[in-house]
Order: sequence, then structure tokens, then C-alpha cells
Amino acid sequence: TQLLEQSPQFLSIQEGENLTVYCNSSSVFSSLQWYRQEPGEGPVLLVTVVTGGEVKKLKRLTFQFGDARKDSSLHITAAQPGDTGLYLCAGARWDNQGGKLIFGQGTELSVKP
Amino acid sequence: DSGVTQTPKHLITATGQRVTLRCSPRSGDLSVYWYQQSLDQGLQFLIQYYNGEERAKGNILERFSAQQFPDLHSELNLSSLELGDSALYFCASTPGSSNTGELFFGEGSRLTVL
Repeated sequence: TQLLEQSPQFLSIQEGENLTVYCNSSSVFSSLQWYRQEPGEGPVLLVTVVTGGEVKKLKRLTFQFGDARKDSSLHITAAQPGDTGLYLCAGARWDNQGGKLIFGQGTELSVKP
Repeated sequence: DSGVTQTPKHLITATGQRVTLRCSPRSGDLSVYWYQQSLDQGLQFLIQYYNGEERAKGNILERFSAQQFPDLHSELNLSSLELGDSALYFCASTPGSSNTGELFFGEGSRLTVL
């Protein structure tokens, strides 16, 4: 069972379309990160959201942290082929063993020209 | 370029064998993390070292071990390899000991066990 569930797992769209990727959990996170991974590369951080309800924009990408800090969404407007890649959310939580970053399984996005 | 270097990039070996994956963190980073990425499990945290000491442990098998050397590079040793160990192994680094901030990932080592 994944602590962080991402949906959809795969998404294939045409250039110019909008899309939303979801990252859901029953656990509360102190912060949540979104990474993008291209083939043959390691994940690269896009954004970190910390406050419940926080919205951050990065050009055509909009990230939102849920009010209860259990979920997040990534919305891409007018997708472009260069947006193709694996999008990973990662939640930070603390327990008696210290802090941990838990990754979702990722959403594989393909944007066709 | 994240500044994290991993070698080798690709490795093909047979079941029962042992391999060593190497990671050099970004200059100045004291923490090194190892992750395993497979299609069915996603990105799984294995282990973290901070300034030479083990800091946190995740889903690392007993057949796997790691260490961080005085020059801060790290090695992940995988032994008695099984088919299911085939995966991408990533190393990441951070400046401090906190493992909830931004991770800087290397390009990964792709291990294929035949």
C-alpha cells in the first residue's frame, strides 16, 4: 500500500490541453514537494508547498497543497511536448525515527505535438 | 547537472552476484541518500548517511549495505542478487542532516540482473 497515491498513473494528451495530477494520502505532511523526472535523469525539484491551502505558480504549472495538508494537485495549462516526463510528489513527515520523505509512484505524462 | 555523480550508469550481471554502486555528492553536501526505483514500487528510500554515519534506514534488504567514506562519497553494495533487484538506483545529496528538504539526485545506475 502506497502512503501517497498519485493519479492518474499514465496520461497521454495533445499539445495545448490542460491537465491535473493528484497526490492523495490519509496522512498529514509537514510539506510536500513535486519533482519532475526525464528519461535517463534523476528527479528534479519543481516546487515545495508548506502551508495548508497554499498555491504556487511556476509559469504554466500551478501547485496546490490541500487545506488539511494531506493532498496536493499539479495543474498544467496548455501542455507542451517539453512537459513530457514523470511527475513525482513527495511528502515530508516526522516520526520517532526522524524526518522522512515519502514518494508517490508518479504520473507518467506524455504530451504529443 | 545536479552535481551528484553516480557510477556506473549501466550494469548487467547475473543472479547470485555482488555489485557496488558509487556516488559522489554535491560539493559541500554532507548527507547522501540511496533510493531504488522500479516500475511496480516507484521510488523507495533505502538508506541515508550523514557525515559518515548512518542516519536513517528505509526499506533496505539485509543483502544490501552501504557506507559513506571520509571524503563523503558513498557506496551501495548489493549481494546475492535476484532478478527482482533489477531497478534504477539513485543517489541524492543534501547539505545538512534534514531529510525532508530538497533532494539533489544523480542520474542513477541502472542495474539489470539476468
